[in-house]
Amino acid sequence: QKEVEQNSGPLSVPEGAIASLNCTYSDQGSQSFFWYRQYSGKSPELIMFIYSNGDKEDGRFTAQLNKASQYVSLLIRDSQPSDSATYLCAVNDGGSGTYKYIFGTGTRLKVLA
Amino acid sequence: DTEVTQTPKHLVMGMTNKKSLKCEQHMGHRAMYWYKQKAKKPPELMFVYSYEKLSINESVPSRFSPECPNSSLLNLHLHALQPEDSALYLCASSQVAGAGTEAFFGQGTRLTVV
Repeated sequence: QKEVEQNSGPLSVPEGAIASLNCTYSDQGSQSFFWYRQYSGKSPELIMFIYSNGDKEDGRFTAQLNKASQYVSLLIRDSQPSDSATYLCAVNDGGSGTYKYIFGTGTRLKVLA
Repeated sequence: DTEVTQTPKHLVMGMTNKKSLKCEQHMGHRAMYWYKQKAKKPPELMFVYSYEKLSINESVPSRFSPECPNSSLLNLHLHALQPEDSALYLCASSQVAGAGTEAFFGQGTRLTVV
């Protein structure tokens, strides 16, 4: 069973700090990686995707991918209380021929005002 | 526009009832997904439709029956459910069921089985 692993947290950071969220995956053949934000009782919202090694920046968010280490991370700069949510890492797995999205267990982020 | 619409938002059903969940997208996506999510757990894949054909069934019990009548619509028919089936049911769509495509989720249907 292919796996996506995340630290469940909670990760607590003060307002204005950088939050760093990490994810590892087991399938070396994985090509596409996603970060979703999920507020309590709501559905997942796509915030970042990354397909190539290196960094990808979008506003306060930076996704980092290292395929050799099978590691993907999300940095949130200038964290705000409204960023408090569960962050789900997902990998697009095509091992069965049809691609499907496999999710990690999520990291709960708390931004303290 | 990345909107996936699910109805109803909430559903309470008895164990002998038959009900259906509906999902609609008008983004021209050709892959649609059903996920189930229990509290404090990640979404768990149930079904994948690719070009209106069922491509993946993750060994889901037959009391859940998916249907894809056209490229914009996905249904999940429910029959004789158990209380442990109570969960948030999420529909998602992506351009295709392939690498390098992003999936967008609907708001979900909160299902309670009594």
